Amino acid sequence: GAGVSQTPSNKVTEKGKYVELRCDPISGHTALYWYRQSLGQGPEFLIYFQGTGAADDSGLPNDRFFAVRPEGSVSTLKIQRTERGDSAVYLCASSLTLGDPYGYTFGSGTRLTVV
Amino acid sequence: SQQGEEDPQALSIQEGENATMNCSYKTSINNLQWYRQNSGRGLVHLILIRSNEREKHSGRLRVTLDTSKKSSSLLITASRAADTASYFCASVYSTLTFGKGTMLLVSP
Repeated sequence: GAGVSQTPSNKVTEKGKYVELRCDPISGHTALYWYRQSLGQGPEFLIYFQGTGAADDSGLPNDRFFAVRPEGSVSTLKIQRTERGDSAVYLCASSLTLGDPYGYTFGSGTRLTVV
Repeated sequence: SQQGEEDPQALSIQEGENATMNCSYKTSINNLQWYRQNSGRGLVHLILIRSNEREKHSGRLRVTLDTSKKSSSLLITASRAADTASYFCASVYSTLTFGKGTMLLVSP
């Protein structure tokens, strides 16, 4: 596609439920990144993939968070036993290569609300 | 955790004025990038400056980088109401590390 697509754009879930957030990167981009942004803050790094493998998952806050990219394209961020503190906008970005000098292309994000 | 800090946190100016935003970061970088965000959603890449560059221009944007002070500035000249947005710097070593952003309001 022409840009990075994230679905759903909004998700409301009850505390304790499981959610999956999907990211469809730009075709051919090998690097994919997940960020989380709380209100009034800058995006915080969660994880990035180079191809199918998670090259750095040091930003995942705890073991309730997990992400996969099985075929090196679409990625899914999975959150188990959601908590109200997980409410945020989850942003996905992709780039041609890691550290692409032309910058990263971000999707519009998924706004997750845990009630 | 976030690495950088932007200054000021909020900036309000009139159309036609220049807007200057500053950013500091903490570790070594390969490059530093500036992004714009409208309404808290998608970020748009504005400009990238490499660690061996000191100044870069793109249209009405001018970015400076001082690696000895670990700081950067973004200047938007002749601002327009459409420039109203949040602006973030992001330092890059392996991935992007964002600051907290500057919220710019340009009034007609």
